[in-house]
Amino acid sequence: IAGITQAPTSQILAAGRRMTLRCTQDMRHNAMYWYRQDLGLGLRLIHYSNTAGTTGKGEVPDGYSVSRANTDDFPLTLASAVPSQTSVYFCASSESTSSYNEQFFGPGTRLTVL
Amino acid sequence: GENVEQHPSTLSVQEGDSAVIKCTYSDSASNYFPWYKQELGKRPQLIIDIRSNVGEKKDQRIAVTLNKTAKHFSLHITETQPEDSAVYFCAASPLSGGYNKLIFGAGTRLAVHP
Repeated sequence: IAGITQAPTSQILAAGRRMTLRCTQDMRHNAMYWYRQDLGLGLRLIHYSNTAGTTGKGEVPDGYSVSRANTDDFPLTLASAVPSQTSVYFCASSESTSSYNEQFFGPGTRLTVL
Repeated sequence: GENVEQHPSTLSVQEGDSAVIKCTYSDSASNYFPWYKQELGKRPQLIIDIRSNVGEKKDQRIAVTLNKTAKHFSLHITETQPEDSAVYFCAASPLSGGYNKLIFGAGTRLAVHP
């Protein structure tokens, strides 16, 4: 049972380059999320998806885009990376979007933008 | 919007002592308060949660208390062990946006010394 996976594990990227972080879950969860984790700031929501075909903006969406073509996959794209996007990125999923649903996190992607 | 403050940012205790981490939230409509534990280099994992209609919840050595009037909630770990060393995040889920939105605190780094 894989649960939720992310790729790549880590990446060093030149500023201005385009990058897609991949996230896949096999739990048939309806809701998926992307967070970034920065020291001293906790986890901040970038984008979310209630169900396949729908997406929404979180707290810090600027510079990022997402798509949800099917239930399992939720890629995060940086169209033109900047150094301030250096962070650890976590994908998460939950059974539904209602409150009380545990969010399960992936292993994370460490991204460095130079 | 919702804001969650977490204190202390670091906490050092001797093995066997108790540890308490406190969080305050701003949105009185928040109704769900999970706590996540993140070991070094690992993903965040849910350890306990509490709903707004409950004042206290226990799970072995871990307990969470909620004071809705004061808008604060706390994590209590008794008989601490070295394996409790990790970063702990509190979160609050406000009733807005129609999805399972979590606003996280900045985290508390707990060190348990043998």
